[in-house]
Amino acid sequence: DTGVSQDPRHKITKRGQNVTFRCDPISEHNRLYWYRQTLGQGPEFLTYFQNEAQLEKSRLLSDRFSAERPKGSFSTLEIQRTEQGDSAMYLCASSTWQGNMNTEAFFGQGTRLTVV
Amino acid sequence: AQKVTQAQTEISVVEKEDVTLDCVYETRDTTYYLFWYKQPPSGELVFLIRRNSFDEQNEISGRYSWNFQKSTSSFNFTITASQVVDSAVYFCALSEKNYGGSQGNLIFGKGTKLSVKP
Repeated sequence: DTGVSQDPRHKITKRGQNVTFRCDPISEHNRLYWYRQTLGQGPEFLTYFQNEAQLEKSRLLSDRFSAERPKGSFSTLEIQRTEQGDSAMYLCASSTWQGNMNTEAFFGQGTRLTVV
Repeated sequence: AQKVTQAQTEISVVEKEDVTLDCVYETRDTTYYLFWYKQPPSGELVFLIRRNSFDEQNEISGRYSWNFQKSTSSFNFTITASQVVDSAVYFCALSEKNYGGSQGNLIFGKGTKLSVKP
């Protein structure tokens, strides 16, 4: 499978616990995005990387959230001290930035987080 | 401000009917991209089409067609002869500044849930 891969697919955690999600993008893609999607809504942008550099963070990304892409390949998204409002689907996407153009983003199947 | 509006929350049709999903966008940029994605029950967003703001030519791909009208800031999506497998949530999205520059993110509408009944 050469698509975007996310792990785990589902995560149930108790409020106050820390969780970490992983995303493996399409191998030749240098851009990686994280989005959050709640029920009945479209995905909302959280942050994105170009190679290992985190180029933009949304205001949705509170200081309890941190994302990394240490070697410019896979990325992790950590949520500390989870709250019930963090329950959502976390989507990862990747694309290629070449010259002055970005290809379309390809999405993974997401990690569904439930905070109880 | 950038915004995408999909006024139709849910649509239900019977197989073989044609159906149009509406998308209206707001942007102050002259250079932008519009997208449609399909999200089946499995959850993965599937890319369908990208159009740039300078190309208003309508596009057809099999049973799918897209109508881009800058005058009304709309990018509507029509499925001809719908099938049960078309049942999914469809999202329209907008990206500004050559889909990159200082921003690379997509702004999504709330989606339209399409149910195609046999």
